[in-house]
Amino acid sequence: GENVEQHPSTLSVQEGDSAVIKCTYSDSASNYFPWYKQELGKGPQLIIDIRSNVGEKKDQRIAVTLNKTAKHFSLHITETQPEDSAVYFCAGVYNQGGKLIFGQGTELSVKP
Amino acid sequence: DTGVSQDPRHKITKRGQNVTFRCDPISEHNRLYWYRQTLGQGPEFLTYFQNEAQLEKSRLLSDRFSAERPKGSFSTLEIQRTEQGDSAMYLCASSVTGRISGNTIYFGEGSWLTVV
Repeated sequence: GENVEQHPSTLSVQEGDSAVIKCTYSDSASNYFPWYKQELGKGPQLIIDIRSNVGEKKDQRIAVTLNKTAKHFSLHITETQPEDSAVYFCAGVYNQGGKLIFGQGTELSVKP
Repeated sequence: DTGVSQDPRHKITKRGQNVTFRCDPISEHNRLYWYRQTLGQGPEFLTYFQNEAQLEKSRLLSDRFSAERPKGSFSTLEIQRTEQGDSAMYLCASSVTGRISGNTIYFGEGSWLTVV
């Protein structure tokens, strides 16, 4: 079935440390995996995405890796800053590019 | 590019009343999505359109919910006979199909519904 599992549900790090959030998906036909950051009271903001024909993508302090064989993908944030504190959601695309199925979210707290 | 626009941002209504939310997608985006999000949960898919055609509806979308996109531009989501369980944030998103940028889905800021 359509399912995306996300871990951990909460993550607390010191400013400057790295943070890693992991997701697994069930549908091997999924080919697009975005990550969203959501601040309180706001809509999800796309921060990075990866398609199934690449294994890794980087954008400044954030990177995403994809392992299609194991059906999991991860978000890596380096040199974390207090403004990185938010809820992060992974997602997978199902139904040939139709709907996104979201993970349960990770509440990241970066302590100064 | 003004982003996905939703209106109203906040709505408080009494149980049993009808409410309607409007979404204006990013210009030229042919796909439009509706999601619902409750506190502490990820967004849950409700339905999506490609142009004016409604291509998929979730089982979450009961008979009291109806969505339209009559001219393939803006969309409305109506909830009839609201119940307290309908209290949530209703998110609209849009994307454009295409080989290069296809599937990149952008969300609006959401419409908060409180049913009292």
